[in-house]
Amino acid sequence: AQTVTQSQPEMSVQEAETVTLSCTYDTSESDYYLFWYKQPPSRQMILVIRQEAYKQQNATENRFSVNFQKAAKSFSLKISDSQLGDAAMYFCAYRNPQGAQKLVFGQGTRLTINP
Amino acid sequence: GAVVSQHPSRVICKSGTSVKIECRSLDFQATTMFWYRQFPKQSLMLMATSNEGSKATYEQGVEKDKFLINHASLTLSTLTVTSAHPEDSSFYICSASYGGVTEAFFGQGTRLTVV
Repeated sequence: AQTVTQSQPEMSVQEAETVTLSCTYDTSESDYYLFWYKQPPSRQMILVIRQEAYKQQNATENRFSVNFQKAAKSFSLKISDSQLGDAAMYFCAYRNPQGAQKLVFGQGTRLTINP
Repeated sequence: GAVVSQHPSRVICKSGTSVKIECRSLDFQATTMFWYRQFPKQSLMLMATSNEGSKATYEQGVEKDKFLINHASLTLSTLTVTSAHPEDSSFYICSASYGGVTEAFFGQGTRLTVV
């Protein structure tokens, strides 16, 4: 079974600075999807960024980018120019493209932005 | 973008009664819907996967007779918590997906309190 591990329960960063959230996963599949979801206090899950495993190029979405290391099974999220609105729980997630296609989530990292 | 609406957002029920939570895909046909449970400050735990017109697939340890899932149409799935007890109090989240997309789309969640 696939597992996702986020080893940082909490992180904090100064506003306008850069922060990196870590995620590792375990799978025997070669084709899969990886995601970072944000859950603000409203608890609505918001997709931040996605990565297809077959793509070597790291995904970027404005201030958010990932460092995808397939061989190391690592998928970290970098947030540049941190803003107060970035404060939330961040979940790393894995999904198989075949079968049940369910999301497997990591434990989450609570990100605090210090003004 | 794809919108998933979950209702109600909050519900309080008496111990021993049943409560139904609805999950609707508003602008797409959801071939698969997922139900998650989230305890405070914890990650999302998948309860079951439902496909339209077929029985739900429950994760290990989830009581199928207690958490009844119905996916009667391509736009609606329901989770019924039967004979609710205080330990069933939690945050329940649904998500929906369809073929050809990599991501799942989340509802706003339902906070269930059993008194």
